[in-house]
Amino acid sequence: KNQVEQSPQSLIILEGKNCTLQCNYTVSPFSNLRWYKQDTGRGPVSLTIMTFSENTKSNGRYTATLDADTKQSSLHITASQLSDSASYICVVSGIYGGSQGNLIFGKGTKLSVKP
Amino acid sequence: NAGVTQTPKFRILKIGQSMTLQCAQDMNHNYMYWYRQDPGMGLKLIYYSVGAGITDKGEVPNGYNVSRSTTEDFPLRLELAAPSQTSVYFCASSYSTRGLTSGVRREAQYFGPGTRLTVL
Repeated sequence: KNQVEQSPQSLIILEGKNCTLQCNYTVSPFSNLRWYKQDTGRGPVSLTIMTFSENTKSNGRYTATLDADTKQSSLHITASQLSDSASYICVVSGIYGGSQGNLIFGKGTKLSVKP
Repeated sequence: NAGVTQTPKFRILKIGQSMTLQCAQDMNHNYMYWYRQDPGMGLKLIYYSVGAGITDKGEVPNGYNVSRSTTEDFPLRLELAAPSQTSVYFCASSYSTRGLTSGVRREAQYFGPGTRLTVL
């Protein structure tokens, strides 16, 4: 069964610290992996998209890595800011699964950045 | 561009009532989606559309209907509201092209702000 598992479920860090969020998936065959940021009460916003041939992709202080062999991805946040407090969602897309491409959403990691 | 807009932002329904959640996008995206997000859970796909006049069921379509008469609009209809439909509903859109060898290529989805629906 295609699944996306994220860890930790929640995380509290101090402002200015770094953190890493994990995403493991079983979706196969794999097309791409996305990380979204969802602020409370808002829709998700795309941070990065990586295909199987990409190992790393950055978007400002956010850096995503992908190991397609082990089916693992991580999102590293550098020098965290209070505005980074949000849920971070990992979404994996399979090649097959009809026109919708079999988008599988993780449950997200809730990050709280404290001053 | 306004992006993806949704109305209303909040709604309370009584059991058995019906309503339509509106969604519109001004980015000329061909794909549009409706998701629901229950507390502590990941987004689940209700319906999607690959273009005007074409819709298809997602993971949890029961109790909902959609239509796509134009590229811009993708309303979601609840006919007989039930407490199990209490959720936050997100509409999304994306522009997708078909690659030569990799099937459908899908760009990032753009999400609306959501509609918080409570059925009592």
